[in-house]
Amino acid sequence: DADVTQTPRNRITKTGKRIMLECSQTKGHDRMYWYRQDPGLGLRLIYYSFDVKDINKGEISDGYSVSRQAQAKFSLSLESAIPNQTALYFCATSEPGLQETQYFGPGTRLLVL
Amino acid sequence: AQSVTQLGSHVSVSEGALVLLRCNYSSSVPPYLFWYVQYPNQGLQLLLKYTSAATLVKGINGFEAEFKKSETSFHLTKPSAHMSDAAEYFCAVSPANTGFQKLVFGTGTRLLVSP
Repeated sequence: DADVTQTPRNRITKTGKRIMLECSQTKGHDRMYWYRQDPGLGLRLIYYSFDVKDINKGEISDGYSVSRQAQAKFSLSLESAIPNQTALYFCATSEPGLQETQYFGPGTRLLVL
Repeated sequence: AQSVTQLGSHVSVSEGALVLLRCNYSSSVPPYLFWYVQYPNQGLQLLLKYTSAATLVKGINGFEAEFKKSETSFHLTKPSAHMSDAAEYFCAVSPANTGFQKLVFGTGTRLLVSP
């Protein structure tokens, strides 16, 4: 079984709709991240969380919100989706440390019409 | 602030040829450097990382990278390409002397391998 899972894997929605992307991990890591990937732009950090009570904005948090329901679960919400939020979204986890490696989920492909 | 530049959005090689993917970084403090690979329809996975030990770092699947401070580079190489190496490769940098290492990714290089 995968260590980091994301649901759904693909989603089509309409402008103005609220949607939630979910991430679960079985690695027991404290740190979790949400990134979006756009062609030609690489990955950009949306939000990150050090533990259930510690949530921080990344470089592109506008239009997004997150919820850390438990150590293993970190959800990303688009309150009112817009077309330029069409992207591939990745969840990742890591353990704290000076040489930490991030472990990525398989991604959610989101299309906003 | 940290940043990385990956030269070439696409690199094409023949099977058996040398693979060279370029990455230059900018960092105001000593960096940690990473190469991640993304196979089609999958998430990113770590290929290798430089964490201030040996400057030549060996990773999975025969890849290696050399940290060159004087050139601010961390190029990824593999002596002989295999068809299964076709993927997108991302270089990333984070500061080495802070408690939280926020990764900054390059824009990626897609490696195409022809028979």
